[in-house]
Amino acid sequence: NAGVMQNPRHLVRRRGQEARLRCSPMKGHSHVYWYRQLPEEGLKFMVYLQKENIIDESGMPKERFSAEFPKEGPSILRIQQVVRGDSAAYFCASSHGLAGANEQFFGPGTRLTVL
Amino acid sequence: AQRVTQPEKLLSVFKGAPVELKCNYSYSGSPELFWYVQYSRQRLQLLLRHISRESIKGFTADLNKGETSFHLKKPFAQEEDSAMYYCAIPRGSSNTGKLIFGQGTTLQVKP
Repeated sequence: NAGVMQNPRHLVRRRGQEARLRCSPMKGHSHVYWYRQLPEEGLKFMVYLQKENIIDESGMPKERFSAEFPKEGPSILRIQQVVRGDSAAYFCASSHGLAGANEQFFGPGTRLTVL
Repeated sequence: AQRVTQPEKLLSVFKGAPVELKCNYSYSGSPELFWYVQYSRQRLQLLLRHISRESIKGFTADLNKGETSFHLKKPFAQEEDSAMYYCAIPRGSSNTGKLIFGQGTTLQVKP
């Protein structure tokens, strides 16, 4: 089992461009979580998805950010019209999602730099 | 509101010294608490969870409901323990798997 995969590992965008971050959960996991880590800060929950459903997006900025987890393929975190303040490390985690099995397995993260 | 506080951004100790990384939380109900660790250039990984009551790599953590704390302890620090440590609690219902993380504490173990 290769674990949670994220790509790209590093992404550089200019202001106004779009950023697409991909996350492939561990085999057998149907729950995906996205977190953002701003410089000098801890991890902040953004969104929680199951296959084809957004369960909780209360941590997502209201504009420019969206996430999906299609039936086939990886989960995508999409940031439109990026600004410098979006520069951060974005981590994806996955879990079984079963009650009592809350352990989340993390990917290596994508470091987004907005010029 | 649910919250996790790790008051120390950096904790620096000498090899062989005892270590205590502090974590305080606010949560309504009985939380399940976690410690995650991130070694240099590696991904975040679960270190221990309070319900398992295990000792991992010599680390233990006891849930103190009276003080709402879940401090991580190790009697004798090793250089390989140098890493970033995060305390976490469930966000909302504990059945959903969502977590709230503290700001993290960097542990630096000097030779």
